[in-house]
Formats: sequence, C-alpha cells, structure tokens
Amino acid sequence: GNSVTQMEGPVTLSEEAFLTINCTYTATGYPSLFWYVQYPGEGLQLLLKATKADDKGSNKGFEATYRKETTSFHLEKGSVQVSDSAVYFCAREGQGAQKLVFGQGTRLTINP
Amino acid sequence: DTGVSQDPRHKITKRGQNVTFRCDPISEHNRLYWYRQTLGQGPEFLTYFQNEAQLEKSRLLSDRFSAERPKGSFSTLEIQRTEQGDSAMYLCASGPRRGQRNTEAFFGQGTRLTVV
Repeated sequence: GNSVTQMEGPVTLSEEAFLTINCTYTATGYPSLFWYVQYPGEGLQLLLKATKADDKGSNKGFEATYRKETTSFHLEKGSVQVSDSAVYFCAREGQGAQKLVFGQGTRLTINP
Repeated sequence: DTGVSQDPRHKITKRGQNVTFRCDPISEHNRLYWYRQTLGQGPEFLTYFQNEAQLEKSRLLSDRFSAERPKGSFSTLEIQRTEQGDSAMYLCASGPRRGQRNTEAFFGQGTRLTVV
C-alpha cells in the first residue's frame, strides 16, 4: 500500500543532543516527501521537503535526505534546543499528487 | 495575507446535532483540502477542491459529511447527525499557488470538535 511509518514516540532528549526521527514510506514511483512540525497550540507547518531522490531538505538546522534505496526520509538535527519541542510528522505526496499521506507523528520533548 | 483561517477553533456539540465548519484559504491558492486528525495520529485526507470543483473524496467521508466551496474561495464542512466517533481535529489546508506544482500545503490551526 501507500503509507508512511514513523519512529514511535515520545522522544525525550537533553538540550544540544543529536536527534534522529526515522521515517520510511511505501509508494509506487517517487513522490515528494515532507516533514511537518506542530508546535504546542499551533497549526501544522512545513519544516522541509525533498522532491526527488538524493535531494536533501534543510531548515532551522534540521535535515532529511530522500533515500530511494531504503525508501526513507529520516529527520536529523545536530544539536536540539528546548524550542524544538513539538510533534513532527513525516508525509508523502498521495497518489496523483493531490493530497498528503502522513505518518502518525512523533512527539519530541527537549529538556534544558 | 494571514494564512489559512478556520472557524470556529473549538466546537462542543451533542450527539445527533449538525455542525458546520468554515475555512478561508490563502487567497492565491486554487486548491483547498480537508483533513481529520484524531488524538495521537497524523492527519487523514478527507476531500479536496480545485477552485469550486470537489475532485476527490476519501472513504472516511461518510454520507453524513458534506463539503462545499461555492465560489472557489472559502469552504464549509458540514457533519450531520454527529456521533462520538466524529470527535477530532478538522484541518483545512490550501496550496499551491496557481501555476505551481502541488508540492506544499499550508495548514490552518484546525477546528477541534467534541461530540458529547
């Protein structure tokens, strides 16, 4: 099927730790891939995206590389901050590129 | 532009009542999407419009649900005879700008529905 599977949370880290949130997808073809973030009390915001294989999306110190060999789009950040505490959603374009298919989300808490 | 706006932000209703939500998309976007998000899950696609035409509906959208976008601008989502299982966050999104490939959607803050 066409789905997105994320690393289960919650994830709790100390400030300045290295972050990885795993995301794998199933799809026919090569859909665009996204990471969205939802800060407490706010709507979903696009964090970064990659539209083709081997592309690297980056924003606010976060990075993710489109790996077609492993059908993965893992989110990484070298040094997290308390302000990164949020729920992170991996997503792919749906069939026909008319909608998004989301993973279940990973809640991240960063302690000072 | 202030982004995608949804109204109301919260709605509590008794089972069996009808509710209607409104979404005002970003003005230069021609597509408008509705998603539903339950606790601990990612958003699930419900339906989308290109201008005023409703082009796709998910199986999640039972016959109690109806969405409209009469003038290709704002949209409404109505749920008739609400059930407790309808309790969720209803998200609206719009995008892309006309002439651009659909690679990004901008989300509103959602309407949280609680059916008691």
